[in-house]
Amino acid sequence: QLVLTQSPSASASLGASVKLTCTLSSGHYNYAIVWHQQQPDHGPRYLMKLDADGSHIKGDGIPDRFSGSSSGAERYLTISSLQSQDEADYYCQTWGTGFVFFGGGTKLTVL
Amino acid sequence: QVQLVESGGGLVKPGGSLRLSCAASGFSFSDYYMSWIRQAPGKGLEWVSYISTNGRTMYYADSMKGRFTISRDNAQNSLFLQVNSLRTEDTAVYYCASSYTPMAHSGVGSWGQGTLVTVSS
Repeated sequence: QLVLTQSPSASASLGASVKLTCTLSSGHYNYAIVWHQQQPDHGPRYLMKLDADGSHIKGDGIPDRFSGSSSGAERYLTISSLQSQDEADYYCQTWGTGFVFFGGGTKLTVL
Repeated sequence: QVQLVESGGGLVKPGGSLRLSCAASGFSFSDYYMSWIRQAPGKGLEWVSYISTNGRTMYYADSMKGRFTISRDNAQNSLFLQVNSLRTEDTAVYYCASSYTPMAHSGVGSWGQGTLVTVSS
């Protein structure tokens, strides 16, 4: 069974960096994912597609402060120079024939 | 740019039905797989269904099979979701979404703003 696991919460200080993790279940380490951001009281927004080899393609207008990387089962979203508007929920998503799965989301607090 | 605008949400009694619509613009709608995704109040994102470019292939989350029907009209650049026998647990914001890659089922690339469905007596 393919499962995406995310920590429920994370926090970091204004101007600092944070690395969010999405973990693929065993046997599914070759799956690409997409990272989405959902700011409070907004709909989700596509951030980037992240492949197993760490290559990623960001959406239009996504700042360079957002980057992605991969290692084995882990898919990472790194946000540098944190700003107050980065406080949001972050979801990873994967897909295959007949299914789409989301991780439970990580709520990022900017201190 | 890509625009997805949902409509059709509202307050419905348990057991009732709704048809949600999504009007697409700014891209070649017929080239993209489309999905419905929902989010219950205070909860995470939950995939509902997706449909192929020509509308002939549809898939549903296991918990949605039987009551939900996805369809599309490429001539009208529109996506639909028919929901029957509504339950209180179907209360959620329903998002229309397009795939990231044309002509293939892939991750979500664009989202609508959502339409709220409230099921309550």
